Amino acid sequence: GESVGLHLPTLSVQEGDNSIINCAYSNSASDYFIWYKQESGKGPQFIIDIRSNMDKRQGQRVTVLLNKTVKHLSLQIAATQPGDSAVYFCAEKGGNNRLAFGKGNQVVVIP
Amino acid sequence: NAGVMQNPRHLVRRRGQEARLRCSPMKGHSHVYWYRQLPEEGLKFMVYLQKENIIDESGMPKERFSAEFPKEGPSILRIQQVVRGDSAAYFCASSLPKNTEAFFGQGTRLTVV
Repeated sequence: GESVGLHLPTLSVQEGDNSIINCAYSNSASDYFIWYKQESGKGPQFIIDIRSNMDKRQGQRVTVLLNKTVKHLSLQIAATQPGDSAVYFCAEKGGNNRLAFGKGNQVVVIP
Repeated sequence: NAGVMQNPRHLVRRRGQEARLRCSPMKGHSHVYWYRQLPEEGLKFMVYLQKENIIDESGMPKERFSAEFPKEGPSILRIQQVVRGDSAAYFCASSLPKNTEAFFGQGTRLTVV
């Protein structure tokens, strides 16, 4: 089965505030992680990735943090906008190169 | 550079018919993944292929489902004798070899009536 799980099913955030989405993974051999955003009726969209030799990576308004000690991944979205409303998935790749997904976390931005 | 292309976007089949879902990876990508998604759920891994080779099919049902990625042409996910429980969105992703970004297509929504 899948080895990645997300904690909160739904996150409601006020527009302009920061969002934090958490993800736990169980495969300590995983060495590459990706965050995806999925809007209704669309395919998952790549947001940001991080390799296991890093603990932080920043993109435009997004930051991914990786804590290998506790096998935890988080996605921070700065100044959340209505267009950020979507389901967010974390995914991991291990030695077999298979991409495993968690169940997803719905983010709802309140105007 | 076109992204991952899946067709058809929507597919309706009667019970017992065959469904063929196509996925053209991004140019230069030699790895393809197929996933299935039910409403309000996550993406469930089905199969991982390289050109002319199935790497991991541990997520594929043992019967009625098959996948291929020929040397030329798109990857095909084939579902024989479809049942209502096969109704779902099927997504394809492609990537370069190991530990690089995987990009998804817009999916094929299969409805079995």
